[in-house]
Amino acid sequence: EAGVTQFPSHSVIEKGQTVTLRCDPISGHDNLYWYRRVMGKEIKFLLHFVKESKQDESGMPNNRFLAERTGGTYSTLKVQPAELEDSGVYFCASSQDRMGTTNEKLFFGSGTQLSVL
Amino acid sequence: DAKTTQPPSMDCAEGRAANLPCNHSTISGNEYVYWYRQIHSQGPQYIIHGLKNNETNEMASLIITEDRKSSTLILPHATLRDTAVYYCIVRLQYNAGNMLTFGGGTRLMVKP
Repeated sequence: EAGVTQFPSHSVIEKGQTVTLRCDPISGHDNLYWYRRVMGKEIKFLLHFVKESKQDESGMPNNRFLAERTGGTYSTLKVQPAELEDSGVYFCASSQDRMGTTNEKLFFGSGTQLSVL
Repeated sequence: DAKTTQPPSMDCAEGRAANLPCNHSTISGNEYVYWYRQIHSQGPQYIIHGLKNNETNEMASLIITEDRKSSTLILPHATLRDTAVYYCIVRLQYNAGNMLTFGGGTRLMVKP
């Protein structure tokens, strides 16, 4: 079974440019999450999709970040325009069950390392 | 969600048991204890979770004290590949945000 895949694995862009990160969850997983770790900080939640709907986007830092999940399959996270402080590792995760069910667990991808210069 | 306190780093000899402690003194009755780990250059990986009973799976054992204010993750026979940052996370069985709150974790170094 394929795991959560993220593309690209690395991205280097200049300040002011736009970058789009992609996440393909495990097939059949309705829940999709985005997290990120910026330099020297802890991993932080960004948002949560249930199928194509945004369940919780309380962690999105500002309106330069736009996440979509059209059709409830893969998701994209666009940063426009990128700033220096956006540099970090962006993780995507998916789960099959609603958080809180007995067997709930998140499967994470390997992340996208974003460097904004 | 309750805060957790973990030592920033620990060493363990290869083949020995690794015991990673976690304090969660403000845990409430309906909050679970989850453990994840992050091996370098990979995403976090689920290990185990529990409410109040001790739990064991193919990866590890979780021992939760009777008052639930602390827990210990046990890797029975640590290998070099277990070198990682281990996160103890306490969260409600269900919360509206469905988020995991990662702290600083414990950096476990398994040495030959």
